[in-house]
Amino acid sequence: DTAVSQTPKYLVTQMGNDKSIKCEQNLGHDTMYWYKQDSKKFLKIMFSYNNKELIINETVPNRFSPKSPDKAHLNLHINSLELGDSAVYFCASSQDWGVSQYFGPGTRLLVL
Amino acid sequence: AQTVTQSQPEMSVQEAETVTLSCTYDTSENNYYLFWYKQPPSRQMILVIRQEAYKQQNATENRFSVNFQKAAKSFSLKISDSQLGDTAMYFCAFVGSNYKLTFGKGTLLTVNP
Repeated sequence: DTAVSQTPKYLVTQMGNDKSIKCEQNLGHDTMYWYKQDSKKFLKIMFSYNNKELIINETVPNRFSPKSPDKAHLNLHINSLELGDSAVYFCASSQDWGVSQYFGPGTRLLVL
Repeated sequence: AQTVTQSQPEMSVQEAETVTLSCTYDTSENNYYLFWYKQPPSRQMILVIRQEAYKQQNATENRFSVNFQKAAKSFSLKISDSQLGDTAMYFCAFVGSNYKLTFGKGTLLTVNP
């Protein structure tokens, strides 16, 4: 029944590793997003896809690469992880830009 | 670029009382949407209320209501009959035609018994 799900919920890894976070929504929405919440709780958009097409690509290091195999999934792959990548990453979805976005439970990433 | 400002980093209220959280924003657009999201200690981001800029009527959802002042670019959230479960971080957010949901820095609300 979960509307927007993310796996894993927690991720602890070493600097330099590559990791992926998966997101799936069963709401039938056309648009999906990735947000980063830093240690001060500030939320910032990273990427957005609409029907598998990238529509928002904020100034994010190119070590971050989103992939949308279909409109229900938006995965986030991070290469060469750095200490500063430690944060909570949220996936979200909405039917359109002006409509409410529904968030996943978040993935807490800790880079050691 | 749009900006969202929440000037109250922390607030507290007694159970059953009313509290108002402030939010101002800056935009040159005429058509946009405003939101309040709640993030309890569980970390889940929960939509509380949504307001369309073209609607003059203030949105309400049970104990939650907003005071939307378009000319002043102000969007405050009023929580009536506060409950312990309302303890959370509250984020004001804006989305315009660029599709980007821009958040304020949040207000940590504590409801005391």
